[in-house]
Amino acid sequence: GESVGLHLPTLSVQEGDNSIINCAYSNSASDYFIWYKQESGKGPQFIIDIRSNMDKRQGQRVTVLLNKTVKHLSLQIAATQPGDSAVYFCAAQTGANNLFFGTGTRLTVIP
Amino acid sequence: DTEVTQTPKHLVMGMTNKKSLKCEQHMGHRAMYWYKQKAKKPPELMFVYSYEKLSINESVPSRFSPECPNSSLLNLHLHALQPEDSALYLCASSHITDTQYFGPGTRLTVL
Repeated sequence: GESVGLHLPTLSVQEGDNSIINCAYSNSASDYFIWYKQESGKGPQFIIDIRSNMDKRQGQRVTVLLNKTVKHLSLQIAATQPGDSAVYFCAAQTGANNLFFGTGTRLTVIP
Repeated sequence: DTEVTQTPKHLVMGMTNKKSLKCEQHMGHRAMYWYKQKAKKPPELMFVYSYEKLSINESVPSRFSPECPNSSLLNLHLHALQPEDSALYLCASSHITDTQYFGPGTRLTVL
């Protein structure tokens, strides 16, 4: 199996600041990691992913870092905006289709 | 097109009713999933279909009955549900071993 946990259940940041959300996983066999954003009343929305053969991947205003040695990944959001307020889940995939979600971090952006 | 659609958006049913949730995708994905999400919790996997065959059933009670009529459609038939089954039911799809894309969910209330 897999156990995925986020370090902080809530995070508040000022608009324009950078946000960092951290996540830990337990199964060294997990080889694919995804960050999802979920707004109230909506389904999880894909943000960015990374495979275990990489340690960093960048998207538009988002960066995911993977440290396989300590089984840790993080999501960095640059210049956080009010529209970034949501619950963020990290998820680890082990095997073909088995995706394990972390408990989620609620990000609140203060205008 | 990375859209997964789900109907209905909301559903209220009594414990003796029979209802169905529907999910559709046209991305050519051959894996489809049902998740259950309770308030303030991460999604929990219920069922996985790969190539229209049930490949994972996470010990879900038989009052939930999945069906995959073809590669684009996924149904979840509901019968004799309990109030504790009230939740957001999410459908997702993916290429085999690839990123899962989620629909907006069906908010189910069992009276």
